[in-house]
Amino acid sequence: DIQMTQSPSSVSASVGDRVTITCRASQDITSWVAWYQQKPGKAPKLLISAASTLRSGVPLRFSGSGSGTDFTLTISSLQPEDFATYFCQQADSFPLTFGGGTKVEIK
Amino acid sequence: EVQLVESGGGLVQPGRSLRLSCAVSGFTFDDYAMHWVRQAPGKGLEWVSGISWNSDTTVYADSVKGRFTISRDNAKSSLYLQMSSLTAADTALYYCAKGGEFLRDWVDPWGQGTLVTVSS
Repeated sequence: DIQMTQSPSSVSASVGDRVTITCRASQDITSWVAWYQQKPGKAPKLLISAASTLRSGVPLRFSGSGSGTDFTLTISSLQPEDFATYFCQQADSFPLTFGGGTKVEIK
Repeated sequence: EVQLVESGGGLVQPGRSLRLSCAVSGFTFDDYAMHWVRQAPGKGLEWVSGISWNSDTTVYADSVKGRFTISRDNAKSSLYLQMSSLTAADTALYYCAKGGEFLRDWVDPWGQGTLVTVSS
C-alpha cells in the first residue's frame, strides 16, 4: 500500500498568513494526488486534483504543487473560513489512501 | 444540485451485519464509479471500497475484504454497502462519495455520512 505522510499534523496561523502543508508518498505516484478540506461536522470537500488542478469554485488563494513523491498545498493568505482540517489522498493505486490530516487552527 | 444521502447506520452488536444505502441525485449515476470512505470518531479518513460504473469491478481495503460487499443499482441511482462480522474497529461515520469515470480517481462530492457504532 502507498503511505501518505502528511505534515505538520497541526499548524497555528493568523488571518493573512501563508500556510504550507506537505504530503510525501511512499513511492512515486506522478501527479495522482488530491487535497480535501474538512470543516467540523461536515463532509470533506475536494479542493485540488491531479496535484495542482484547482476545482471549480475553490478560491485562488489555494494552490497545489509537486510530483513524484512530494506534494504541497499552499494557502497564500489565510481567511477565517479556511480554518479546517486538510487531507491529501493518492489515487495512483488501490487501496486509495489518505494522509493523516493537518488541522489549521487560529493563532 | 448533486446530492448523496446515506442511510442505514446505527448501533449494532459485534459480529452482526448491517447494510448501508446511498441515494444519489443530480448527476448521471451510471456514468461514474462510486466509493465508500469512513472516518472513525476524531480520526482521519479511510477509504473502504469502490465500484465501477457498471459493477464489473469492485475493490476493497484489506481491513474489510471478505466481510464487506459493495454494490449498486443504477436503475435506482443507489449505492450499497453490506457489512458483516462487524467489530468495534468498524465504528465510524461512513461516507458515500462520487468517483470519476474510472474507478481509480478522486472522490467528490461526498454525502453527509451515516454513523455505524459497533458495541455490545
